[in-house]
Amino acid sequence: DVKVTQSSRYLVKRTGEKVFLECVQDMDHENMFWYRQDPGLGLRLIYFSYDVKMKEKGDIPEGYSVSREKKERFSLILESASTNQTSMYLCASSTLGGGTIYFGEGSWLTVV
Amino acid sequence: KQEVTQIPAALSVPEGENLVLNCSFTDSAIYNLQWFRQDPGKGLTSLLLIQSSQREQTSGRLNASLDKSSGRSTLYIAASQPGDSATYLCAVNGWAGRRALTFGSGTRLQVQP
Repeated sequence: DVKVTQSSRYLVKRTGEKVFLECVQDMDHENMFWYRQDPGLGLRLIYFSYDVKMKEKGDIPEGYSVSREKKERFSLILESASTNQTSMYLCASSTLGGGTIYFGEGSWLTVV
Repeated sequence: KQEVTQIPAALSVPEGENLVLNCSFTDSAIYNLQWFRQDPGKGLTSLLLIQSSQREQTSGRLNASLDKSSGRSTLYIAASQPGDSATYLCAVNGWAGRRALTFGSGTRLQVQP
């Protein structure tokens, strides 16, 4: 069974903290993505990566960075968490050819 | 910039009804379109993927059609069941592989027993 695993389901962090959200996929996919989902705003793309050490900004990259040192792992970093980054974060992966995209279960982040 | 719209935003039907969910997109130059299901507090589960060269895809009680020229897709659910209650999202991929999906805001479906 294909799997995208987000290591943290629920996190509570303080304003100004550095936050790491980890995502691992076991399907040897080239593409990996980070989205955030907010009520009324839907899913918005933060960053994506199509290869190791490659990354591209999505629609809302401000306040975020990413790291992809290994093909199976894609990390989202909040350099200095703020309350407006309270959200559900979803990681996903797909093949380079643009096939089915698979999502993780999501990480609920609350910044207080 | 691609925009994806889903109508209706919410739908409540009695069990057993056949129903249609609609998705429209503004830029017809798409590579593929996917329909997803999302249960409350969970991630997204892919239901159907339609390549731009295809007209429809079927999986069990689900059938998705694509009319690329008019910028529309429909998801047909036959003989709805309470277990179908979820939010259904469509998303388009504008470029082979590397570009990420653009999502609609979803249709929240409630099937009453």
